[in-house]
Amino acid sequence: DAGVTQSPTHLIKTRGQQVTLRCSPKSGHDTVSWYQQALGQGPQFIFQYYEEEERQRGNFPDRFSGHQFPNYSSELNVNALLLGDSALYLCASSKWTSSDTQYFGPGTRLTVL
Amino acid sequence: GENVEQHPSTLSVQEGDSAVIKCTYSDSASNYFPWYKQELGKRPQLIIDIRSNVGEKKDQRIAVTLNKTAKHFSLHITETQPEDSAVYFCAASNSGGGADGLTFGKGTHLIIQP
Repeated sequence: DAGVTQSPTHLIKTRGQQVTLRCSPKSGHDTVSWYQQALGQGPQFIFQYYEEEERQRGNFPDRFSGHQFPNYSSELNVNALLLGDSALYLCASSKWTSSDTQYFGPGTRLTVL
Repeated sequence: GENVEQHPSTLSVQEGDSAVIKCTYSDSASNYFPWYKQELGKRPQLIIDIRSNVGEKKDQRIAVTLNKTAKHFSLHITETQPEDSAVYFCAASNSGGGADGLTFGKGTHLIIQP
């Protein structure tokens, strides 16, 4: 039973560029949430996808967008990268109907130069 | 929106002693309170969670208590071991049907001294 997976592991971009991060949820899960974790801080909620729609959104600008596919996997897109976007991006999967626990993937470390 | 405060930011205890980490939340509608352990360079791992219809939950050496009136919840680790050294995060959400976005505290770096 595969857990939550994310790709790539690490990514280096320059200011102004765009990036796409990917997440595959745990088997049996249908909901994906994305979090940004800056160094030394707790994760901050970006948004959540269920049934291919954004269901909730945290306090992030619309440079951050996402998508969920019919197989429940998800992408996080960040446009016009800023230095402050450097962080560990975590996705978490869960099951919508059971208000279940969120399980985290290993994260993608994004560095913006 | 929800705000979660976590204390202390660093906690150093002797191996075998107990450790207590405390969190407060602001939104009285919050009803789900998980605790995650994150080792350096690793993903956050759920260690225990509690829902608002329960006051206390225990799993071996780990326990969580919840005081809804005070909007306060705590993590208790007994008989600490070297492998308990990590950063611990508390979180809160209003889990009203879907698995809502979690609001995290800033974390507690737990150091177990041999």
